[in-house]
Amino acid sequence: DIVMTQSPDSLAVSLGERATINCKSSQSILYSSNNKNYLAWYQQKPGQPPKALIYWASTRESGVPDRFSGSGSGTDFTLTINSLQAEDVAVYYCQQYYTVPPKTFGQGTKVEIK
Amino acid sequence: EVQLVESGGGLVQPGGSLRLSCAASGFSFSTYGMHWVRQAPGKGLEYVSGINSNGDSTYYANSVKGRFTISRDNSKNTLYLQMGSLTVEDMGVYYCASGTSVGYFGYWGQGTLVTVSS
Repeated sequence: DIVMTQSPDSLAVSLGERATINCKSSQSILYSSNNKNYLAWYQQKPGQPPKALIYWASTRESGVPDRFSGSGSGTDFTLTINSLQAEDVAVYYCQQYYTVPPKTFGQGTKVEIK
Repeated sequence: EVQLVESGGGLVQPGGSLRLSCAASGFSFSTYGMHWVRQAPGKGLEYVSGINSNGDSTYYANSVKGRFTISRDNSKNTLYLQMGSLTVEDMGVYYCASGTSVGYFGYWGQGTLVTVSS
């Protein structure tokens, strides 16, 4: 199975500042035939189910604010939250959907307000 | 509006069984693969099981293989997870999630809590 490893496990960021979360896969999740990275990001707020934010490593789901952006390719990926808002406090997970299945998740990164 | 509504969770003794259900509405259920993901208290997401759109291909995490069975009834727009030989390690919130044409999980239910205790 592909192992997804996120860093850091948690971070505290001041309101209006940038939060950066990294995700590394144990093997490449770039599919050469379509040049797409099979990587999604989810946000989970306390007491709620996860919500998809980004797929194809950098495509935002409909309705997701543009302060959320994804980047990276191959095995290394980043979720960036620009100008952190109070409502962004959550745990963020990356997921690879390259294998069909299992579609493994990273361990999560908790984002808090400093 | 897409809805996924899980049911069937509850308190069960170690070694016992439970059957979870996930009723889907608002989308073409029979078109997409469906999945179960669980979350132990205070922990991260663990992919448990998946089934393809017509039900003829299934997957299980090693931690549940041989004890859990996933199935679906496309005529009822319902996903199931039959769980047996339950242990405390199986405790947590179980979410059903719908696949998408892309492959990630587009929609999630609110989850159902499974507690294993004597």
